[in-house]
Amino acid sequence: EVQLVESGGGLVQPGRSLRLSCAASGFTFDDYAMHWVRQAPGKGLEWVSGITWNSGTIDYADSVKGRFTISRDNAKNSLYLQMNTLRAEDTALYYCAKEDGYNNYFHYWGQGTLVTVSS
Amino acid sequence: QSALTQPASVSGSPGQSITISCTGTNNDVGGHNYVSWYQHHPGKAPKVLIYAVSNRPSGVSNRFSGSKSGNTASLTISGLQAEDEADYYCSSSTSSSTSVVFGGGTKLTVL
Repeated sequence: EVQLVESGGGLVQPGRSLRLSCAASGFTFDDYAMHWVRQAPGKGLEWVSGITWNSGTIDYADSVKGRFTISRDNAKNSLYLQMNTLRAEDTALYYCAKEDGYNNYFHYWGQGTLVTVSS
Repeated sequence: QSALTQPASVSGSPGQSITISCTGTNNDVGGHNYVSWYQHHPGKAPKVLIYAVSNRPSGVSNRFSGSKSGNTASLTISGLQAEDEADYYCSSSTSSSTSVVFGGGTKLTVL
């Protein structure tokens, strides 16, 4: 059974940093691209960042480019999101999502970890 | 990276059919067939309903169907049921290798 478990969320002051983690199990982690997707309170889903299986290609939404860094450790079956210079508008539930290998869709999602940026 | 355009809300009665549209550009929806649809109940993880424009993953009811014409994709739900009340999102790959864009979401109300 595929499982994606996010952690690392919490309350953080504007301008500070936070690192999210996603522990994956139930599939061959290093065969698949992985993504972070977020949902701000009362808003829709927003794609944040994606990384290919070998970290060879990485992309970010314009809203986080230059502040967030996605990475993965295939030996640990883990995905990460380093979030720097956090802003109030980064407040959201952050989901880890596994991409299907052939059709570019999010086949499995975690339950999310909540990040609140506030002073 | 502009969000795809979806209606904010749609509604229908049990047993009826509804269609949700998703309009993008030649750089996303119109540029390839990697359009997918997700159902999101509050407090739960999103669930994929349709991938590659019109394909259903195993276990998804055949009441859900997808299509595309030009820069607009559509999700049709037939035989509406109370449990279909949720938020629905389209998404599309873009011209970039791993980047994805979502629609703004459509709230479905089953009357």
